[in-house]
Amino acid sequence: TQLLEQSPQFLSIQEGENLTVYCNSSSVFSSLQWYRQEPGEGPVLLVTVVTGGEVKKLKRLTFQFGDARKDSSLHITAAQPGDTGLYLCAGVGRGSGNTGKLIFGQGTTLQVKP
Amino acid sequence: NAGVTQTPKFQVLKTGQSMTLQCAQDMNHEYMSWYRQDPGMGLRLIHYSVGAGITDQGEVPNGYNVSRSTTEDFPLRLLSAAPSQTSVYFCASSFWDGGPHNEQFFGPGTRLTVL
Repeated sequence: TQLLEQSPQFLSIQEGENLTVYCNSSSVFSSLQWYRQEPGEGPVLLVTVVTGGEVKKLKRLTFQFGDARKDSSLHITAAQPGDTGLYLCAGVGRGSGNTGKLIFGQGTTLQVKP
Repeated sequence: NAGVTQTPKFQVLKTGQSMTLQCAQDMNHEYMSWYRQDPGMGLRLIHYSVGAGITDQGEVPNGYNVSRSTTEDFPLRLLSAAPSQTSVYFCASSFWDGGPHNEQFFGPGTRLTVL
């Protein structure tokens, strides 16, 4: 069974601080996705990383896929109150019988205080 | 485009009642999924479908049925509701070509309470 462990589960910081969220597994994934979810809404895709060691930037957000494609991180620089929300990582399984199913981490709730 | 739509937004059931959660998408996506979201557990896959007429089980399928008669619709049926099925349910659709990309478009969710 493939599992994704996200840490930390909760993060409360002041505006302007930097933070990193981690998504770890003992399994290899074809890709890792990051979603952001606001209260009362469905998750919205932020980015997909596919290649081991890949780094993608989305304004103040930096996403990295581990070299072995077992882990990923999300780094936010100079967090703003608008970054508040639930961040979810999700992996697409790899290997024979791949069905495209996504495995989600437990999520990281981020609160950025002004 | 409306994207992924779900009805109802809220529902309260009594134990043992049955109901159908509706999901529709207008993006011509072949791949559709149902997830449930519980506090501290992320999203867990209930059932999914790779195209009309094809469905399969996810991580937590017990107590739920699905069918896929058209590309657009993917209803989720609760046969005999139990308090353990109290959750927020999300439907999602995607274009998947068998490769590493399977980016999901989510609906707004249905918040279900079973008393």
